[in-house]
Amino acid sequence: KQEVTQIPAALSVPEGENLVLNCSFTDSAIYNLQWFRQDPGKGLTSLLLIQSSQREQTSGRLNASLDKSSGRSTLYIAASQPGDSATYLCAVSSNNDMRFGAGTRLTVKP
Amino acid sequence: SQTIHQWPATLVQPVGSPLSLECTVEGTSNPNLYWYRQAAGRGLQLLFYSVGIGQISSEVPQNLSASRPQDRQFILSSKKLLLSDSGFYLCAWRSQGDQPQHFGDGTRLSIL
Repeated sequence: KQEVTQIPAALSVPEGENLVLNCSFTDSAIYNLQWFRQDPGKGLTSLLLIQSSQREQTSGRLNASLDKSSGRSTLYIAASQPGDSATYLCAVSSNNDMRFGAGTRLTVKP
Repeated sequence: SQTIHQWPATLVQPVGSPLSLECTVEGTSNPNLYWYRQAAGRGLQLLFYSVGIGQISSEVPQNLSASRPQDRQFILSSKKLLLSDSGFYLCAWRSQGDQPQHFGDGTRLSIL
């Protein structure tokens, strides 16, 4: 059964710093990996989707990488801003279901 | 464009009462539909998913059930709520297994 782990559980950085969030998964037989953002009390907003055949995806200040063989993905956020403060979740898709990590709670201080 | 609607946004129910949460998707046909629960401080737990009308797969044994009476409608139900059913319930859809998943705004359920 697929297990997804995110490290760190929480992260606090000053505004302007570049940062990396980590996600690992146990079963490399995946369709894709998706990064989400969740604001308190809200639903999930999709940030990036990486197909199993891809190595990375970029959107603005966000870059996500995927190393399927080692079961790892990273989300890189450049020049962080206070508006980036949220919980970031990674999710691995296999067959018809999707398994989520517990998330990394990011705080960007002005 | 596609949209997903969940209601109600918040719900307070007594223990032992029934539950019905509804989720509908617009702008697509034959989506895969999902129900998740997010307990306080924890990750998302997949409860049910459906690949078509009347087809429901359950991930964990529990006090809840799901139904898909129409192509773009997914309902989460319970006959008698337990305290442990409290949480944040999220509905999601995607067109195929390799496509991104999109979420509704969620229902916060509190059991008293």
